[in-house]
Amino acid sequence: EVQLVQSGAELKKPGESLRISCKGSGDNFTTDWIAWVRQMPGKGLEWLGIIYLGDSDTIYSPSFQGQVTFSVDKSVSTAYLQWSSLRASDTAVYYCARWYCGVDCYLDLWGQGTLVTVSS
Amino acid sequence: SSELTQDPAVSVALGQTVRITCQGDSLRRFYASWYQQRPGQAPLLVLYGKNNRPSGIPDRFSGSSSGDTASLTITGAQAEDEADYYCNSRDSSDNYLGVFGGGTKLTVL
Repeated sequence: EVQLVQSGAELKKPGESLRISCKGSGDNFTTDWIAWVRQMPGKGLEWLGIIYLGDSDTIYSPSFQGQVTFSVDKSVSTAYLQWSSLRASDTAVYYCARWYCGVDCYLDLWGQGTLVTVSS
Repeated sequence: SSELTQDPAVSVALGQTVRITCQGDSLRRFYASWYQQRPGQAPLLVLYGKNNRPSGIPDRFSGSSSGDTASLTITGAQAEDEADYYCNSRDSSDNYLGVFGGGTKLTVL
């Protein structure tokens, strides 16, 4: 079964760094774009951006440029989302999803989400 | 960048038909995709393209589009359809990114 599996929940303090992961299994993900999506408590879905697993080509949403960093290790079909200095406002559930573009583009496969809590 | 607008909340009687709409300039160029999110769960793709359902999605879910508006229709709504629904399309800025609507909370009465 093709799936995306994300790393577990994190509790961090403001100013700390963090990297969460999204591992693809059951398929050849090196030809896929992976999107990162944020959902703050009680709020809607927001695009952070996308990264191509094949060559790490990255496109950030303007609102998140400079706030987060995407990376990949294609040898293990894993994408990463990283913060160098967390803020309380980064508290949210973060989803990875495959951004499939054929005739149309859509997010056809989702990870289970990673809850990031930033609190002193 | 683009914006997609959805009604915050919609309700439907059990077994009746409901339409959830999504409006935005990017929909004049790109099809919307639709996602169902139940409480505590990850979003799930329910419609994409002109009117395509992924495997396992019931055929009571259908889609349509006209001008700058896309619609998700549930014909014969079931209790398990109560959820938040989000539309998404490619951003009209041609940066290959997507944009979500604000979401519609569907209540099945």
